[in-house]
Amino acid sequence: DAGVIQSPRHEVTEMGQEVTLRCKPISGHDYLFWYRQTMMRGLELLIYFNNNVPIDDSGMPEDRFSAKMPNASFSTLKIQPSEPRDSAVYFCASRYQGAHMTEAFFGQGTRLTVV
Amino acid sequence: KNQVEQSPQSLIILEGKNCTLQCNYTVSPFSNLRWYKQDTGRGPVSLTIMTFSENTKSNGRYTATLDADTKQSSLHITASQLSDSASYICVVNQAGANNLFFGTGTRLTVIP
Repeated sequence: DAGVIQSPRHEVTEMGQEVTLRCKPISGHDYLFWYRQTMMRGLELLIYFNNNVPIDDSGMPEDRFSAKMPNASFSTLKIQPSEPRDSAVYFCASRYQGAHMTEAFFGQGTRLTVV
Repeated sequence: KNQVEQSPQSLIILEGKNCTLQCNYTVSPFSNLRWYKQDTGRGPVSLTIMTFSENTKSNGRYTATLDADTKQSSLHITASQLSDSASYICVVNQAGANNLFFGTGTRLTVIP
């Protein structure tokens, strides 16, 4: 398996534009997580899905952020409209059902810059 | 409040030297603690996992310790190599939930 695949790797957009980040989890994994990483705050959980269903979105900063998982192999994180303070690296991670000891595997991240 | 704090924030050491990174947590109830290594421009990768009953665990030149009573963990790196330069993130899993609490990481730089 190629691991968790995220696209694009880098995104530069103007304030006010819509941004869509994409994630393909590892096949067979049924938990998918979206994280945001900044220098100041480190890694923060935004939302996670179990079997394509959003379970906890309490980390989503505000209504400008939305996430979907239409099937087991694809998820999107959308920001509309984007703002400069959204600039960060966004990570997607997945793991499989079972013991909580199972490792979450991370993608390489999408570096978002909003100017 | 569930928190994970790491120290130092950054560290520079000479190649071949040893170093120890610290992690203190207040997450409760505790399930397990992982140390992740994050290379620049990459996602974090798990190095070790510690459960409540484990005091120490090694993975090559990496040795993690856990004191569940004081809620402290350390990651000791022996005979550092240039490739050890990365951020090391302590992550605590809360029992009975999918909640992972992340430290902000220690940025390690190994210089020749």
